[in-house]
Amino acid sequence: RKEVEQDPGPFNVPEGATVAFNCTYSNSASQSFFWYRQDCRKEPKLLMSVYSSGNEDGRFTAQLNRASQYISLLIRDSKLSDSATYLCVFLDSNYQLIWGAGTKLIIKP
Amino acid sequence: SQTIHQWPATLVQPVGSPLSLECTVEGTSNPNLYWYRQAAGRGLQLLFYSVGIGQISSEVPQNLSASRPQDRQFILSSKKLLLSDSGFYLCAWTQMNTEAFFGQGTRLTVV
Repeated sequence: RKEVEQDPGPFNVPEGATVAFNCTYSNSASQSFFWYRQDCRKEPKLLMSVYSSGNEDGRFTAQLNRASQYISLLIRDSKLSDSATYLCVFLDSNYQLIWGAGTKLIIKP
Repeated sequence: SQTIHQWPATLVQPVGSPLSLECTVEGTSNPNLYWYRQAAGRGLQLLFYSVGIGQISSEVPQNLSASRPQDRQFILSSKKLLLSDSGFYLCAWTQMNTEAFFGQGTRLTVV
């Protein structure tokens, strides 16, 4: 089993819809979790950290489920500008970054 | 505030030529530094990481090498480029348990 698994997509979603991605991880000792956004031909940029209690930033909600070993990202009222690849990453017990391969999201008008 | 600089943004090099990509970080000390490569439509492949000056860990055997001559400087090199070295190269830094911050990336095309 890969250390981190993400559905590569693409997810084709109409504008205004709600979309959710999951990211599963195999290392139960994982310390910190993050979601990044990467636009085409650009560097990844931090979207949000994922806290144990869950956290929300505007239209974006991130959650952590340690029992089932996954994190999720929910995007409400999706915009055309949300089209991007979303990468999950976690820090393992050695503070190494373990990256998912990304989920491609396409928002259609 | 912390910033990371990576250059050049694009590079076209002939097969067999040398390579030197540089990355510098400002506004922090003793960062963990990383070099990644990303093929088109693929995920990030860790090439090298460094936890301190002169300390380099290599993740994959290949035609590339890395050096950290100063605390906030990380250099990716090759003596002779191969066609397969083409890709998007990204430098990143972190502190112990914080998120990663990336440079703008270098798009390398070996011809």
